Formats: sequence, C-alpha cells, structure tokens
Amino acid sequence: QKEVEQNSGPLSVPEGAIASLNCTYSDRVSQSFFWYRQYSGKSPELIMSIYSNGDKEDGRFTAQLNKASQYVSLLIRDSQPSDSATYLCAGSSGGGADGLTFGKGTHLIIQP
Amino acid sequence: NAGVMQNPRHLVRRRGQEARLRCSPVKGHSHVYWYRQLPEEGLKFMVYLQKENIIDESGMPKERFSAEFPKEGPSILRIQQVVRGDSAAYFCASSPTGQGNTIYFGEGSWLTVV
Repeated sequence: QKEVEQNSGPLSVPEGAIASLNCTYSDRVSQSFFWYRQYSGKSPELIMSIYSNGDKEDGRFTAQLNKASQYVSLLIRDSQPSDSATYLCAGSSGGGADGLTFGKGTHLIIQP
Repeated sequence: NAGVMQNPRHLVRRRGQEARLRCSPVKGHSHVYWYRQLPEEGLKFMVYLQKENIIDESGMPKERFSAEFPKEGPSILRIQQVVRGDSAAYFCASSPTGQGNTIYFGEGSWLTVV
C-alpha cells in the first residue's frame, strides 16, 4: 500500500455546494496530517493540520480524521470558483527524522 | 509561503551542466526540507537538513544530487550533470522543529533541462 493515497480526480462540484476530498494512509504516516492547496504553477499552501480523531473546523474548511479507518478528509463548504486547485494530503510519522509524505493530490474544479 | 525564499525561480540548463538551487528558510527556522515535483506528480521528499547536518536523505537519488545547509547562508541543492529527467519543480520548506510540525513552502525553483 502506498503511504498516502488520494483519488486524482478531477472532482467537479457546483458552486455553493460542499466539496469532499478524501485521503487514506498507511501505518507509517499515522501521526500528523496536513491539507495543502496548490494552484497550477504555484507552491503548496497550508490549509489545515489535524492531529487527533474527530473534526477540526476553520472557516469554510473542515478536516476530519478517523484513525481506526486510516482516512482523513477535507470538506469545503460553500465552494467558490477560487477553490479550484489541486489539494494535497500529507502525513507525518512524527518522529522528526523525515519530512512529510504527500499523496499525488486531487484536482478540484468548482463549476460556476 | 511564510517567508521561505528560493532562487532562482526559473533555471534552464543544458544536459551535462550543473544546477544549484538556493533556499533561505523562515527566520528562526533551523529545519529545511527539499521536495521535487515532477509534472502531474505529487511532491516527493528528497532530503531533510538542519544546520550543518543532513538528517535524512532517503529520498535523494544516489548519484549527481547533493544538499547542504551551512552554518551561515542558504541551503543549497546541487544537481550535477543534469539530464532531461531532472526537469521538475523543486520546493524548499522549513519548520521551527522537525517533529511532525507544520512546514512552510517556498515558491519553488523550476528547472528545465534542454
């Protein structure tokens, strides 16, 4: 199993709807999780981090972590065209001896 | 990008030349990471450094690639004898500590090998 897996998409969501992005991970990267947004030709930009089971909300974004099922998700409420980007899920072993392990990203398209 | 500075932003090299990419972390950050992103691919971890030390280079190709983070000055990723397959975006990131904390990316250096 790859360490962090995401559906590459594209995922198409109408404007104003909820976009749901999912990510599964292996045991090695099971400590900390991060969602980054990356526009084409730009660097990844941190959206949210989550460390414990449950939901974490920040504005229109909610990250959900389920360690028993080994998945982490990102919900974007009231989707806007400016949310169209590639969303990268990343996990860390937390051991301090390595960097983050990234999935390949999900390409999200918000249709006006 | 929280202040991580990378240069050059765009670099064109002919096959066989050397490429040097520089990264200055956020002020006060002593941990630097280099990632490579090939077209249509995700970010791949290359190397993790602290000042004057390579902590983890498990993602670095065995040949032609090297990295350093000297006591003074920026971190340098060096690619010798570049080949077309080295064409990619190279991102540097930094964090105040290395223990799974949030890392902040620079704007990236886009290397094109012709």
